[in-house]
Amino acid sequence: DQQVKQNSPSLSVQEGRISILNCDYTNSMFDYFLWYKKYPAEGPTFLISISSIKDKNEDGRFTVFLNKSAKHLSLHIVPSQPGDSAVYFCAASASIAGSYQLTFGKGTKLSVIP
Amino acid sequence: ETGVTQTPRHLVMGMTNKKSLKCEQHLGHNAMYWYKQSAKKPLELMFVYNFKEQTENNSVPSRFSPECPNSSHLFLHLHTLQPEDSALYLCASSQGTDGYGYTFGSGTRLTVV
Repeated sequence: DQQVKQNSPSLSVQEGRISILNCDYTNSMFDYFLWYKKYPAEGPTFLISISSIKDKNEDGRFTVFLNKSAKHLSLHIVPSQPGDSAVYFCAASASIAGSYQLTFGKGTKLSVIP
Repeated sequence: ETGVTQTPRHLVMGMTNKKSLKCEQHLGHNAMYWYKQSAKKPLELMFVYNFKEQTENNSVPSRFSPECPNSSHLFLHLHTLQPEDSALYLCASSQGTDGYGYTFGSGTRLTVV
């Protein structure tokens, strides 16, 4: 059973417009959420995170929104650029003592069209 | 270069072969991980090492055997694999426990024939 779900395998957006990537989770113990970006032939790189005590975190063009009641988070990229084309993974973790586990979604492939 | 180096980048092996994947980090991290990325599946955690001690083994078949001789090096020994084991194997390291600061290697693309 998938605890972190990214239901859109792909997304195409025009350059300059907003990209919205969605992620849903089922485990109510998750309290820390991350987005990773992955280019072909490279490992995932950390992009932005949010703690469950917040509902929004912003870093430049990237904003993550968390809706705890809906167990939903989203990543907004504004404005989208061709270099943003990559696979984006949503990940979640629980602050259980000694736990190092991140649970990842399947990823969403974003294509930004020039 | 992310700070986590994996070799080889690509590996093709037969089902009766024995091979090893290597991961190296010099970031001063104390935890290292093996993940498996199969097509159309989420990243799957395989093994976790904290200060060279294995702390997690997510029901991984015994044909995968990890080794962590020190906190900077991590190996994944492979023997008698199956074609369905073909995947991208990612190594990662981290300092803390909250997931922030995970650094991934570029992965080894494994094909079992």
